[in-house]
Amino acid sequence: DAMVIQNPRYQVTQFGKPVTLSCSQTLNHNVMYWYQQKSSQAPKLLFHYYDKDFNNEADTPDNFQSRRPNTSFCFLDIRSPGLGDAAMYLCATSSNRGRRETQYFGPGTRLLVL
Amino acid sequence: AQKVTQAQTEISVVEKEDVTLDCVYETRDTTYYLFWYKQPPSGELVFLIRRNSFDEQNEISGRYSWNFQKSTSSFNFTITASQVVDSAVYFCALSAVAPGDMRFGAGTRLTVKP
Repeated sequence: DAMVIQNPRYQVTQFGKPVTLSCSQTLNHNVMYWYQQKSSQAPKLLFHYYDKDFNNEADTPDNFQSRRPNTSFCFLDIRSPGLGDAAMYLCATSSNRGRRETQYFGPGTRLLVL
Repeated sequence: AQKVTQAQTEISVVEKEDVTLDCVYETRDTTYYLFWYKQPPSGELVFLIRRNSFDEQNEISGRYSWNFQKSTSSFNFTITASQVVDSAVYFCALSAVAPGDMRFGAGTRLTVKP
């Protein structure tokens, strides 16, 4: 089945230790998104790629970076995780070729910072 | 500016009761899409429905139904004969101009008790 896959599902890291979360998709969608969701809150968009074009939200901290080496894969790098970065990180994809399409989400990676 | 308001933070019902989740939105765009997503305890956001601004027809899918009224800027979601498996957080979302422009409401936590 075509889907959005996130690995790992749970990630534990230490304060200040760089961590990378990964997302892959078999939907061949041209847009990929990274959201941060803290407990009992709505998902908050960090950035998205429209094809190869990177679009950063104005309030996304510099500590968060992203890479998209090809259509299928997208990575979220947290350079120096702080305790406040503990959250669920959701990857989503959509096909936006000329119109606004539905975003399909992966299962998320729950990040714990010790 | 776009905004989605889900005034009901938490709802608790007993199995087989009907329940309606409210969603009110604000946008200046004439073309936009409205969505409902379900987030069970596992964390994945599951797409339920998309409705565009030019289609005010109500939709029914099994026990789920949606009422879109542009006159009141509302897109309400009703679950008929609720079941325990319906327990989740439900998010209403609005997407207007471009990729990455999706705005989520704060979510409504629905608990269905046996």
